[in-house]
Amino acid sequence: AQSVSQHNHHVILSEAASLELGCNYSYGGTVNLFWYVQYPGQHLQLLLKYFSGDPLVKGIKGFEAEFIKSKFSFNLRKPSVQWSDTAEYFCAVNGPGTASKLTFGTGTRLQVTL
Amino acid sequence: DAGVIQSPRHEVTEMGQEVTLRCKPISGHNSLFWYRQTMMRGLELLIYFNNNVPIDDSGMPEDRFSAKMPNASFSTLKIQPSEPRDSAVYFCASSLAGVVDTQYFGPGTRLTVL
Repeated sequence: AQSVSQHNHHVILSEAASLELGCNYSYGGTVNLFWYVQYPGQHLQLLLKYFSGDPLVKGIKGFEAEFIKSKFSFNLRKPSVQWSDTAEYFCAVNGPGTASKLTFGTGTRLQVTL
Repeated sequence: DAGVIQSPRHEVTEMGQEVTLRCKPISGHNSLFWYRQTMMRGLELLIYFNNNVPIDDSGMPEDRFSAKMPNASFSTLKIQPSEPRDSAVYFCASSLAGVVDTQYFGPGTRLTVL
């Protein structure tokens, strides 16, 4: 079965620090990759997604993610975080073998301090 | 647009009772998803509807769980009888067309079964 791993469960950063959240998946075929974010008290919302083409994907609020097929990874990055980036971040993967299912990682809680 | 609407937002019930969770997807969206979020298992897809028809219910934990979508603007998830291990946050999401399209999540229903 396809699985998604987010190894960082809780990350604490100071404002202006750089961010990289890891995401690895187990499925080796063609995949679609997503990052969702849940701000405190708000709904889960899409941050960015990758289907094909340029493996460096840019999303909202200055976030980007890079798809590295050889490493089965889709890490999320931001060069300089803000206090308002405090949220929980979820990586999700979908592939032909599980076409009707978006598999989510367990999430990474990011806390940005002033 | 009001977004995906879920009710109730919080539900506390006793073991053995029937629980019904409700969802109104975004108007015009053809796909609807029910997810369950727990600390142990993260965010899991329970069932997925396309054009009101259940496509994949492989994530429904057992016969105590059932879901219906009688029309394009309403869906229910029922648990009968409820058990303490059903305690979780249940999310409904909708998309324009299928799994790979951006999914818009509701605020969730926090269910506690005593």
